[in-house]
Amino acid sequence: EDQVTQSPEALRLQEGESSSLNCSYTVSGLRGLFWYRQDPGKGPEFLFTLYSAGEEKEKERLKATLTKKESFLHITAPKPEDSATYLCAGHSYGQNFVFGPGTRLSVLP
Amino acid sequence: SQTIHQWPATLVQPVGSPLSLECTVEGTSNPNLYWYRQAAGRGLQLLFYSVGIGQISSEVPQNLSASRPQDRQFILSSKKLLLSDSGFYLCAWNWEPPHEKLFFGSGTQLSVL
Repeated sequence: EDQVTQSPEALRLQEGESSSLNCSYTVSGLRGLFWYRQDPGKGPEFLFTLYSAGEEKEKERLKATLTKKESFLHITAPKPEDSATYLCAGHSYGQNFVFGPGTRLSVLP
Repeated sequence: SQTIHQWPATLVQPVGSPLSLECTVEGTSNPNLYWYRQAAGRGLQLLFYSVGIGQISSEVPQNLSASRPQDRQFILSSKKLLLSDSGFYLCAWNWEPPHEKLFFGSGTQLSVL
């Protein structure tokens, strides 16, 4: 059965304190690994798609990386506005997306 | 550009009452459409998806149904709500691969009392 897990469940950082979020997946025939940001009471907002092991993508203070078994979302010098829940999802051909439970990030000023 | 509209934002309904949530997409044609439910601390659960008008696939047997009466309209319904139907409901759309990333609506917080 395809599965996506994320760790930690919650993470509190001080402003400027860099860290990483983990997404582990067992998705047969993975076509893409997706990262989303979700603010409270809102729909998820697309961040990145990674297609192959070794691929990296960056956007402002965020960098996503992918290996054959997991993906990391690195947050460099976070700011309070980076506080949100970060979701990852795996997608394979002919199948629907499998979402992880998310990591709830709080960045304290 | 494409936009997705979902309403209402919040809804409080008594047990046994009917439900109708609506979602529309603008700026594209023949999108794939999805209904997800999100429970606290859990991943998004796919409820229904549709690849075209009148074509609905159900992922989870339950008290809910979906319809797609028009190309860019997706409706989630129930004849009689249960307490367990409470949750955050999200509509989403995408295209076929290789442009398959999902775009989500703003969500509906449903409380069944």
